[in-house]
Amino acid sequence: DQQVKQNSPSLSVQEGRISILNCDYTNSMFDYFLWYKKYPAEGPTFLISISSIKDKNEDGRFTVFLNKSAKHLSLHIVPSQPGDSAVYFCAASVIQAAGNKLTFGGGTRVLVKP
Amino acid sequence: DGGITQSPKYLFRKEGQNVTLSCEQNLNHDAMYWYRQDPGQGLRLIYYSQIVNDFQKGDIAEGYSVSREKKESFPLTVTSAQKNPTAFYLCASSARTLLNTEAFFGQGTRLTVV
Repeated sequence: DQQVKQNSPSLSVQEGRISILNCDYTNSMFDYFLWYKKYPAEGPTFLISISSIKDKNEDGRFTVFLNKSAKHLSLHIVPSQPGDSAVYFCAASVIQAAGNKLTFGGGTRVLVKP
Repeated sequence: DGGITQSPKYLFRKEGQNVTLSCEQNLNHDAMYWYRQDPGQGLRLIYYSQIVNDFQKGDIAEGYSVSREKKESFPLTVTSAQKNPTAFYLCASSARTLLNTEAFFGQGTRLTVV
């Protein structure tokens, strides 16, 4: 049973426009959410996160929105740049004193066209 | 510089052989993780360790083994019992804190079994 789902495997967007990536989760215990960016044959790099006590977190061109009632989060990239072309993973965890396990979605491949 | 080092980057092994993937971190993180990525899929958790001399199975632990004798090191052995070992393996670590649950990833090891 996939607890974190990214239903769009790919997304194509024109440079300068907005990229919107979506993620749904089923486990109501998740209280911390992260987005990672990954290039081929490299490890994921952290982009932005949000705690369940917030509904929005912004960092430069990246904004993450959380809708707890719908168990849905989204990542907005504005404006999109060609260097943003990569695979983006949504991840979720339950914050606990003993560290955390991240549960990942399947990823969304973003292509930003010049 | 602090970070996570995985070695080797590429590994080829014959079917039926055990192989050990190395993961070392100098971030002073308590928790370490092993994930597997298959083409077009997300990251799946194999094993994780929250503290030295302790580790737990993740979602797909069958055919794998780990050890955590030192805080800095968390090697993964892919045994002959693993039916589909060819994959991209990612090691990660995180601080053991309630506030910071971001995981840092290594560059990965691509294992090919022939």
